[in-house]
Amino acid sequence: QSVLTQPPSASGTPGQRVTISCSGSSSNIGSNYVHWYQQLPGTAPKLLIYRNNQRPSGVPDRFSGSQSGTSASLAISGLRSEDEADYHCAAWDGSLRGVVFGGGTKLTVL
Amino acid sequence: EVQLVESGGGLVQPGGSLRLSCVTSGFTFSNYRMNWVRQAPGKGLEWVASIKQEGTEKYYVDSLEGRFTISRDNAKNSLSLQMNSLRAEDTAVYYCARGYDSSGYLPGVWGKGTTVTVSS
Repeated sequence: QSVLTQPPSASGTPGQRVTISCSGSSSNIGSNYVHWYQQLPGTAPKLLIYRNNQRPSGVPDRFSGSQSGTSASLAISGLRSEDEADYHCAAWDGSLRGVVFGGGTKLTVL
Repeated sequence: EVQLVESGGGLVQPGGSLRLSCVTSGFTFSNYRMNWVRQAPGKGLEWVASIKQEGTEKYYVDSLEGRFTISRDNAKNSLSLQMNSLRAEDTAVYYCARGYDSSGYLPGVWGKGTTVTVSS
């Protein structure tokens, strides 16, 4: 049971916009930054969004993040086949004094 | 280029020990907080432990029950994880991950991982 809650799966067709939610509490998302990671099959996670809505260099602007209260969202617009991957959210939890992750969302491009 | 290379994984019997290492390059190691994160087969990511730049502050996931110890050697740009009393549920790929920037723990750069299998 993960501290942050993500839907286990999401899907969309090429060109569509999809969003993935990440729900937490006041001790994590409600008071600390959220990061999002993309994990392609068989590879290590890669930072996709940091500090709620910032993109590292090299990440396309099709990817965007937002945060409101104790929830965060990752949006992917102009969906492409290469976006098929697992997506994970993470935040620092001040009560647990540790990093907490969501359970991950498997994105399928139909 | 920032690089993190893990080693030390393998097959170990329940109750045994392993020491994982992570050698880094391409950045000033002593400026960053470091983490170990694991991923059991077919499961999501689980944070294991974090250590602050000086090595004086360490944090662990509660479920470890004191079996693992994170440490760092800033002179050798390396991070370690000593794992004792291993259990089947510790079977996972273990990733070394650097904090995104000098002030945060959240992983920003990841190694490729090393696989630990606990089985008789």
